[in-house]
Amino acid sequence: DTAVSQTPKYLVTQMGNDKSIKCEQNLGHDTMYWYKQDSKKFLKIMFSYNNKELIINETVPNRFSPKSPDKAHLNLHINSLELGDSAVYFCASSQRLAEYNEQFFGPGTRLTVL
Amino acid sequence: QKEVEQNSGPLSVPEGAIASLNCTYSDRGSQSFFWYRQYSGKSPELIMSIYSNGDKEDGRFTAQLNKASQYVSLLIRDSQPSDSATYLCAVKGSSASKIIFGSGTRLSIRP
Repeated sequence: DTAVSQTPKYLVTQMGNDKSIKCEQNLGHDTMYWYKQDSKKFLKIMFSYNNKELIINETVPNRFSPKSPDKAHLNLHINSLELGDSAVYFCASSQRLAEYNEQFFGPGTRLTVL
Repeated sequence: QKEVEQNSGPLSVPEGAIASLNCTYSDRGSQSFFWYRQYSGKSPELIMSIYSNGDKEDGRFTAQLNKASQYVSLLIRDSQPSDSATYLCAVKGSSASKIIFGSGTRLSIRP
């Protein structure tokens, strides 16, 4: 059973296009996250939702828009893609009400913007 | 100063030896500390968490936390080639619900 799943696994697209990445978790967790990992492997949080409510919104261009239709899903839509958006995007989830906030990651989506 | 700092490596350790990975953090009020392992092309995987000062052991892994020195480490005993990966230190700060990751230490176990 896949705990945190993402689609697609690979995404190759042209500059200026709009694309979406989907994430689903079946762990019953309350909180979901989007991270960006650049070519130097630095993992940086972008957004976090708790029970469909946005709780973390880091300094991310407003071309990036997360959407949480329910607490098991968190999608990421990116408008007007730029070369610098090329990275691996990870979705993660955690049990928010648990004191210790351990996170479980999806397999990642490798986005390449040409 | 970065919020969570790690030596990027690579750290090369012979098989069977102890690998020692270190991490320092800047937020003195941080409460929760995690070590994630990431194989090349894969997602981070939680291997240890520690919340109070001292040592926490789980199999071949021992996490050590010293809040006064703002220092957390991971020891891997009897290192195996399968331990070769990037190890990410992650810290949950005092004022936010987010976890800050270090840039990772690349560990290589040589046979």
